[in-house]
Amino acid sequence: LAKTTQPISMDSYEGQEVNITCSHNNIATNDYITWYQQFPSQGPRFIIQGYKTKVTNEVASLFIPADRKSSTLSLPRVSLSDTAVYYCLVGPQGNTGNQFYFGTGTSLTVIP
Amino acid sequence: GAGVSQSPRYKVAKRGQDVALRCDPISGHVSLFWYQQALGQGPEFLTYFQNEAQLDKSGLPSDRFFAERPEGSVSTLKIQRTQQEDSAVYLCASSSWTGAYEQYFGPGTRLTVT
Repeated sequence: LAKTTQPISMDSYEGQEVNITCSHNNIATNDYITWYQQFPSQGPRFIIQGYKTKVTNEVASLFIPADRKSSTLSLPRVSLSDTAVYYCLVGPQGNTGNQFYFGTGTSLTVIP
Repeated sequence: GAGVSQSPRYKVAKRGQDVALRCDPISGHVSLFWYQQALGQGPEFLTYFQNEAQLDKSGLPSDRFFAERPEGSVSTLKIQRTQQEDSAVYLCASSSWTGAYEQYFGPGTRLTVT
């Protein structure tokens, strides 16, 4: 089980790009990196998943260096509604349960 | 289509009472997960089903916790003889066969044991 390390909290002004980095030194060859977003009183919401290099979707980008020991979630031009907790998960594709280790996440506060 | 739903949204139980929490996953999703989330913490894995089979229950904190999914759809998490330390939000998530890491979460049930 690959544990992850993220900053506990971050602040950003509205309209700026936010980068949240996750360290996962013990990532295994078949592990993927997945990010979730959670608002208060809601369940986590899938944001993006990647294996290597760069992945981009309509809401975020995920940058993964060649050694895969870290990853960076990039949120372009954040708004107040992006204030939430962001979780980085590392684990293999496949139907197992106990590899879903969320940790404490990064609490992002967007300031007007 | 409809997302994952959970009921009740809020539950208050006196210590020692039994509770049952229900999860309705997205139709057609074969995988179903239960998590426990304490205040200020990330979700912690409890148990996992693939269809009706409970493949992993390593996260259940004690034998007072029991989960079932008899027909491979709706799932129930039961907690017997509730204790104050059971107070938390219980989250249910479902996923398709090939996308186990892309889980779809319900809103959770907030359990308060008094």
